[in-house]
Formats: sequence, C-alpha cells, structure tokens
Amino acid sequence: GAVVSQHPSRVICKSGTSVKIECRSLDFQATTMFWYRQFPKQSLMLMATSNEGSKATYEQGVEKDKFLINHASLTLSTLTVTSAHPEDSSFYICSARPGTGGTEAFFGQGTRLTVV
Amino acid sequence: AQTVTQSQPEMSVQEAETVTLSCTYDTSENNYYLFWYKQPPSRQMILVIRQEAYKQQNATENRFSVNFQKAAKSFSLKISDSQLGDTAMYFCAFTYTTGYALNFGKGTSLLVTP
Repeated sequence: GAVVSQHPSRVICKSGTSVKIECRSLDFQATTMFWYRQFPKQSLMLMATSNEGSKATYEQGVEKDKFLINHASLTLSTLTVTSAHPEDSSFYICSARPGTGGTEAFFGQGTRLTVV
Repeated sequence: AQTVTQSQPEMSVQEAETVTLSCTYDTSENNYYLFWYKQPPSRQMILVIRQEAYKQQNATENRFSVNFQKAAKSFSLKISDSQLGDTAMYFCAFTYTTGYALNFGKGTSLLVTP
C-alpha cells in the first residue's frame, strides 16, 4: 500500500518553543492531508484538513495561531506547534488519501510530543 | 455531522476463538464508506477492512469480515480464529468521498489471551 512518512516520531521541547512535524506521502500525491490528535486511550480527533496551495481548514475549538499548517507541495504537509505548553503534549498523527472515493486513508507513524 | 458509536470499550477473547466488535453510525447520506482500523501498541494505524455503502455484499479479508446492515446503520467486525497479534485498539471509521477526513468511533480495546 501507499506510504505516509511522519517525522519526527518523538520530540521533547521546552515550554514556549515551537516544534515542526512533517508529513510526507512517499509514493502518491495528496492534495489533501489530515492532522489528528490522540490522547492516551482515546480516539483520533481531527484537528485540521490541510489543502495543497491554500489555507488549512481547522475544526472547531482548534487554535489556528497555535497549530500552523502548511501544505506547500503535493507530498508534504507540516504542522507547527507554536509557543508550546505542557497541555499541548499529545500524540499527533497525519493522514492522506490517494485517489478518489472510499480509497483507504494511510497514516503516518505519529509523533509523540512532550512539552516540559 | 455524522457520528460513529462503538459501545464496547474493552473486549477479551481466547486465542482461536471468534469475536465480534460492534459499530453503529448515523448519517442522512446514501453514499459513504466505512472502515475498521487497527492500532497496535506501536500506534501505527492499519486498515483492517473497508466497505462501500452501495455494495450489499459484506466485505471479507481473510479472518476478518463485516456484517453491514445499511438500514440499521450497523457495521460490526468479526474476527475469526483470533491470534495474539490481533491484540490492539480497533476503530470504526466513516467518511464520504474525496477530500473528507475519517470520522472515528471511540475504539474498542481487544485483548487476545492464550
């Protein structure tokens, strides 16, 4: 199947700093990518939909200025957590769907962010 | 917005036995897609099986099969001959067509015991 690569897999940063997470589709083009957040033993909650060449669409309650999303190419979307705080610590997962219709979504390996 | 409900937070099954995980959803649309994803301890999301709503035939992938009841908006997953490697979180997911994200249920934690 298609491959989505997410980097880094684990990051620890100090409170107040920013951290960037990359999501790449390695063998297909993705005009749309999705960013999820997952708390321990909970489900995946959609944060935003990343659209290549245009602004991301954020879900209600997600701070646009804190979670900056850039989708500059058909194979790369980035999520930057700005001025990170301990409450931003979580597991972040990106996803992309090649093709049309019900084609499955492929997921990155996830990024465990810890803000200290 | 569509909702996906998984009413079994945790389940346990013995190796080689069969287990069924339940999922219901709510939508007013006629065309949509349903999935079961597995998330093992590594937290990598893995597709188990998918079903197109316009297909009446239930999807099957080796030991995994679904019981899709469109009128009842039910989409259960049956795992036959359970293996220790099936231990994971299982998420039921719903989506429309291109450009839409998956909407996930809360998940069922499945433990397969020897």
